[in-house]
Amino acid sequence: DTAVSQTPKYLVTQMGNDKSIKCEQNLGHDTMYWYKQDSKKFLKIMFSYNNKELIINETVPNRFSPKSPDKAHLNLHINSLELGDSAVYFCASSPGTSGGEFFGPGTRLTVL
Amino acid sequence: GIQVEQSPPDLILQEGANSTLRCNFSDSVNNLQWFHQNPWGQLINLFYIPSGTKQNGRLSATTVATERYSLLYISSSQTTDSGVYFCAVISGSQGNLIFGKGTKLSVKP
Repeated sequence: DTAVSQTPKYLVTQMGNDKSIKCEQNLGHDTMYWYKQDSKKFLKIMFSYNNKELIINETVPNRFSPKSPDKAHLNLHINSLELGDSAVYFCASSPGTSGGEFFGPGTRLTVL
Repeated sequence: GIQVEQSPPDLILQEGANSTLRCNFSDSVNNLQWFHQNPWGQLINLFYIPSGTKQNGRLSATTVATERYSLLYISSSQTTDSGVYFCAVISGSQGNLIFGKGTKLSVKP
């Protein structure tokens, strides 16, 4: 299936831990994104990569570090997790100039 | 930055009814998309529509870029249409979508 996939779908962890979320797209898109959806359902951009290079980095704590090993993958690593990091994280991809963005299924992160 | 406002924030419909959701934006846009987030949290692309009109089954969308708004029409609503509808835009040189706060739709049987 052509799609944007994320793993894991659910992630429950303790404060202070380090965790990673993986994202892969097989749509051949050049640009990938990470968005955060908070408890009020508001969606906001975190990072954007184009051909493995960071092009957008919104005001996100530096505990969040994206890694793009190739243009089909954009992983999100989070250090020293805090309660406020609990949210749903969506990966997305787009062809770049037009055609819209396509979203993965989301990863629900719960920090206890 | 660009502001995206959606109305109404909440909408309750009886199955079979029609509805119109509105998205206003404060600047010219290069990209406008409508998404449906279903009750399981999945974000589903409905339309990529920076201008003009598109139809897909019972759903259609119109964007009037010169007047800075877009409308999403849902006809003969079904309970499976329930969820949150988001409008999102890209404006100017920014490369990512800016989302509105959504319209929460509940369709009752």
